Amino acid sequence: DTGVSQDPRHKITKRGQNVTFRCDPISEHNRLYWYRQTLGQGPEFLTYFQNEAQLEKSRLLSDRFSAERPKGSFSTLEIQRTEQGDSAMYLCASSLSTRTGESQYFGPGTRLLVL
Amino acid sequence: AQTVTQSQPEMSVQEAETVTLSCTYDTSENNYYLFWYKQPPSRQMILVIRQEAYKQQNATENRFSVNFQKAAKSFSLKISDSQLGDTAMYFCAFEAGKSTFGDGTTLTVKP
Repeated sequence: DTGVSQDPRHKITKRGQNVTFRCDPISEHNRLYWYRQTLGQGPEFLTYFQNEAQLEKSRLLSDRFSAERPKGSFSTLEIQRTEQGDSAMYLCASSLSTRTGESQYFGPGTRLLVL
Repeated sequence: AQTVTQSQPEMSVQEAETVTLSCTYDTSENNYYLFWYKQPPSRQMILVIRQEAYKQQNATENRFSVNFQKAAKSFSLKISDSQLGDTAMYFCAFEAGKSTFGDGTTLTVKP
């Protein structure tokens, strides 16, 4: 197993376009998290899944953002009608747990630039 | 809502010396977990150390140890015998369900 992977690693788009990011967690991990990180700041929680169920969403996750994990394996994060303020690194992490407190394994991130 | 504060944006230390990074948090939860993560330049975030709030004993992982003061809501990280490879941004994180991260401390280890 090679760890958490994310695709694409970089994305440049024009304001108003839709973008979709993919995250493949470590294969046996049942929890999957999405974060947004801007330069000089820590990751901000967006949402997390346990298996295919989305358990919590941040208020940061406006109606332009949607995340899915249809079969409890990979996940996608879609941003509709992108804005310049969406420019950031989007991180995915996974863990093996049915409770909180287990260590999260992070992917390399997808860096989004909205022009 | 939980908050995590790292009051030292940047720190430096000479190779082989010891450095302590500070972290304080605020929560009304009683059961939670605390973490330190390391993010080297242009590389993935990795776990350094983990502490369960119900355990009084401070966690230790090789050269890394924490000083967990639950009443003071303080969770500092001590790095002993600093190595050049320890140069990175360090994030303190709190978890009770969702995770809350601090804004990080950039640590530079100087030869």
